[in-house]
Amino acid sequence: DTAVSQTPKYLVTQMGNDKSIKCEQNLGHDTMYWYKQDSKKFLKIMFSYNNKELIINETVPNRFSPKSPDKAHLNLHINSLELGDSAVYFCASSRGLAGGGDTQYFGPGTRLTVL
Amino acid sequence: EDQVTQSPEALRLQEGESSSLNCSYTVSGLRGLFWYRQDPGKGPEFLFTLYSAGEEKEKERLKATLTKKESFLHITAPKPEDSATYLCAVQEAGNNRKLIWGLGTSLAVNP
Repeated sequence: DTAVSQTPKYLVTQMGNDKSIKCEQNLGHDTMYWYKQDSKKFLKIMFSYNNKELIINETVPNRFSPKSPDKAHLNLHINSLELGDSAVYFCASSRGLAGGGDTQYFGPGTRLTVL
Repeated sequence: EDQVTQSPEALRLQEGESSSLNCSYTVSGLRGLFWYRQDPGKGPEFLFTLYSAGEEKEKERLKATLTKKESFLHITAPKPEDSATYLCAVQEAGNNRKLIWGLGTSLAVNP
């Protein structure tokens, strides 16, 4: 019973290619997130959707485009991959409580390596 | 500037040797402070949420406490399976669900 799942787990590709990472949650949550974790282990928020509406859009190159077909799914498409995009990408979800204490639950991560 | 600082960066303990990890924060109004555990090659796993100064929460050998400026994660009589990176994050008032993350403390417990 995986709560937040991501595919693929590993992704190795050449510079300049376009790739997608998929995320699904079965927790019934309203909010989903994409994070990038670099080699220093810092978790950087990229995007967040609440009920298919974009609510967080950090300073991220426009080569990155999130898509949320429904509130249980949030995909990340990356165009023209660069070496610096190599990292682990985590999807997370939360209930979407606006009042605070909105616990986020993470997927297992996708390790992207750009050669 | 809002920020979260964790210390120490790395900690090595002998099995049974209790210690504490620190998370200090500077935010304009705290909505919640979160502790997570991350094992190598896995996603962060939720441990605790603390909301107000004086609050404490416990789970097995872990106890989290909160003051107005910092949080401590106390580990009592740790076991090798407690080895992991412990991450702290805060949610500030008025910020739409965005968390501010620390860099984590890497804990190694030797048998």
